Amino acid sequence: GAVVSQHPSWVICKSGTSVKIECRSLDFQATTMFWYRQFPKKSLMLMATSNEGSKATYEQGVEKDKFLINHASLTLSTLTVTSAHPEDSSFYICSAKSGSINTGELFFGEGSRLTVL
Amino acid sequence: RKEVEQDPGPFNVPEGATVAFNCTYSNSASQSFFWYRQDCRKEPKLLMSVYSSGNEDGRFTAQLNRASQYISLLIRDSKLSDSATYLCVFTDTGRRALTFGSGTRLQVQP
Repeated sequence: GAVVSQHPSWVICKSGTSVKIECRSLDFQATTMFWYRQFPKKSLMLMATSNEGSKATYEQGVEKDKFLINHASLTLSTLTVTSAHPEDSSFYICSAKSGSINTGELFFGEGSRLTVL
Repeated sequence: RKEVEQDPGPFNVPEGATVAFNCTYSNSASQSFFWYRQDCRKEPKLLMSVYSSGNEDGRFTAQLNRASQYISLLIRDSKLSDSATYLCVFTDTGRRALTFGSGTRLQVQP
């Protein structure tokens, strides 16, 4: 099946620094990728929809200046958490669809666990 | 009312048991429904789609009740390897992203 790779898997950083997370579709082209975050024992919450070649669409309550998304190519989207704070500590997961939008299956990256000290 | 509601569990069942989860949704425009499985600290993976007529995949049976706005997942002959969190997921018309429930945790015990 389609493969989505996410890097890094784990990152620990100091408060105030910025962290970049990469999401790559390895064997298909993804015009759209999605970024989710998940707190412990909570649901995945959609943060934004990343569109290749255009601005990302952010969900209500998600600060676009805080969570910068770049989708420069059909196989790569990046999420940058700027000026990270401890409350940004979470599990960030990217995902992408292969083929028809209505097939429903999203392929997920392995996730990136961010800990901000 | 939340968009999606699931009993968080945990459901602790012995091997070989039959267990069922329900998931209710509030948006009547919801169009497509799925069950995903998520292992601890891992990414979610598609378990099965849910069709109006109901569908079965081996030991797993999924059903959709649009009138009452819920979907269900039945697992027969539970295995230890079925231990995971089961997420109900849906999309609505025109929205490409998936909306996830918070998940129901299943623990199958020997």
